[in-house]
Amino acid sequence: GESVGLHLPTLSVQEGDNSIINCAYSNSASDYFIWYKQESGKGPQFIIDIRSNMDKRQGQRVTVLLNKTVKHLSLQIAATQPGDSAVYFCAEGSGYNKLIFGAGTRLAVHP
Amino acid sequence: GAVVSQHPSWVICKSGTSVKIECRSLDFQATTMFWYRQFPKQSLMLMATSNEGSKATYEQGVEKDKFLINHASLTLSTLTVTSAHPEDSSFYICSARTGTEDQPQHFGDGTRLSIL
Repeated sequence: GESVGLHLPTLSVQEGDNSIINCAYSNSASDYFIWYKQESGKGPQFIIDIRSNMDKRQGQRVTVLLNKTVKHLSLQIAATQPGDSAVYFCAEGSGYNKLIFGAGTRLAVHP
Repeated sequence: GAVVSQHPSWVICKSGTSVKIECRSLDFQATTMFWYRQFPKQSLMLMATSNEGSKATYEQGVEKDKFLINHASLTLSTLTVTSAHPEDSSFYICSARTGTEDQPQHFGDGTRLSIL
């Protein structure tokens, strides 16, 4: 069946380092991918998205990489800050409608 | 921009009662709204998709008579958990998006439902 999974359930980094969160997807028909950040007790917050006709997209301190050959998605956060500590979810979809969420990775940033 | 508000943020009620959760898009018109359920330390599971003026589309395994969804306007969708029981206790989150392509889903801050 369809699934979106993550390689690492928990990632610990030092403040100032770069973080890389990985995600694997299995539905080759998915053409839209998105990363959300969820802090405790809150709803997911949009970070960045990418369509399947691209392999890289950059935002402010974040970069999303898409490798369709191996069905892999990653989120890179530059100069990680304590405020980046949260659970990060990748999600895939077809078009901009229904999303299937991955299991989530907890990012812990240590001073 | 793209603010989605949920109300209430937290509700405790007795088993057997019905609970209504509201989801509002504050600064945009939401053609489509989504309702998710999230258990502790788990991911978001889509329950249903609702388009304004239409009946909601429920995911497999979600009881439509148990979880009533109404999307009567472009800024409001409601989820009613009918005859709630302790196993319905969860974090319910809505999201909304416009009908414009390249606009992502924006999420509310969720409603924590506890059934005693």
